[in-house]
Amino acid sequence: DTGVSQDPRHKITKRGQNVTFRCDPISEHNRLYWYRQTLGQGPEFLTYFQNEAQLEKSRLLSDRFSAERPKGSFSTLEIQRTEQGDSAMYLCASSRTGINEQYFGPGTRLTVT
Amino acid sequence: AQSVSQHNHHVILSEAASLELGCNYSYGGTVNLFWYVQYPGQHLQLLLKYFSGDPLVKGIKGFEAEFIKSKFSFNLRKPSVQWSDTAEYFCAVITNFGNEKLTFGTGTRLTIIP
Repeated sequence: DTGVSQDPRHKITKRGQNVTFRCDPISEHNRLYWYRQTLGQGPEFLTYFQNEAQLEKSRLLSDRFSAERPKGSFSTLEIQRTEQGDSAMYLCASSRTGINEQYFGPGTRLTVT
Repeated sequence: AQSVSQHNHHVILSEAASLELGCNYSYGGTVNLFWYVQYPGQHLQLLLKYFSGDPLVKGIKGFEAEFIKSKFSFNLRKPSVQWSDTAEYFCAVITNFGNEKLTFGTGTRLTIIP
């Protein structure tokens, strides 16, 4: 399967701990997006990359959140000093510039206790 | 800010019934419109999309949607549903053609009774 992959699929952490998620996009896709989905809501945009450049961040992305895509391939999303309100599904999607179809990964479900 | 409304939160139908799920968006300019589906335990999958041209678009698994610009709507339809259509359905829109980020509705949970 050459779709978008995310790791881990589930993460349980205690409040105050740091967590890092990884996303591997479809190989020829130069755009990579992070979304967050909470119960009963649709996914909400967090940030996106074109190649290795992070071009936009949502105001939802507080200073505790940081994302990288160092070589324009995989991306990581780190949350520092997690809070219970960070509990959500974190989704990654990828696409190619000029082709407005985003393909989603299975998500990482974060539970902060 | 642009938004997407899906007024049906949970729809329950019997097999072979016809389906229509509502989607309205609030943005006066050019849009790209999408329906995504999430089957139980699976990731979001693209069902169909509208970019331009014929406002009636057909997607996978017998689904179709009609873009009505004057009503800011993009309703999803299927003439005869199957038990396997049980899933959550999300309408989404792109209004910013610099970042192409998706703005999603809250989703409609569809339950099909055999």
